[in-house]
Amino acid sequence: QKEVEQNSGPLSVPEGAIASLNCTYSDRGSQSFFWYRQYSGKSPELIMSIYSNGDKEDGRFTAQLNKASQYVSLLIRDSQPSDSATYLCAVNMYSGGGADGLTFGKGTHLIIQP
Amino acid sequence: DAGVIQSPRHEVTEMGQEVTLRCKPISGHNSLFWYRQTMMRGLELLIYFNNNVPIDDSGMPEDRFSAKMPNASFSTLKIQPSEPRDSAVYFCASSLSPLASEQFFGPGTRLTVL
Repeated sequence: QKEVEQNSGPLSVPEGAIASLNCTYSDRGSQSFFWYRQYSGKSPELIMSIYSNGDKEDGRFTAQLNKASQYVSLLIRDSQPSDSATYLCAVNMYSGGGADGLTFGKGTHLIIQP
Repeated sequence: DAGVIQSPRHEVTEMGQEVTLRCKPISGHNSLFWYRQTMMRGLELLIYFNNNVPIDDSGMPEDRFSAKMPNASFSTLKIQPSEPRDSAVYFCASSLSPLASEQFFGPGTRLTVL
């Protein structure tokens, strides 16, 4: 049974600071890891994907993966009020047939305080 | 460039009625996923298709739920008969190929069963 755990928050961060979001997963065979952003009443929007250990940077976002610790994180630098949303961690494990559906955490509610 | 299209966006029905949700994946995408999101359970995978073939329907909650993908550009999720506990937001997502894990979500259908 695959499980993805996130702190539900809310996580409150001052504008301009670094927001740090964390996620752990139970399945050691997991291959692909994703962060989605979801605004209230909207659909999940893919913001980062990471497949190998280490850091991956894209603009103000950095995803970090540590497969040995089964841990993935998302850093948001120079946080803006528009970053206020729920951030969903998602994990994918390949089966013999190819891509699987994603297992999602329940999300961390992030609030950026102006 | 059109994303994933879902219809209807909102559906209100009475218990016992049949409900059909529709999805058009991104053109050229060969994998399609149906998810359900509730406050209690978060975002859950119901079923997914690769090249129009259902691969894993273990997430479908009961026999009242069924899904089809008659061609590469159309899928339906049907609930018959519907129950109040089926009230949720249903998302469709698609990805480029069976080996590509990045999934893109449609706007969702908010279903309310009275």
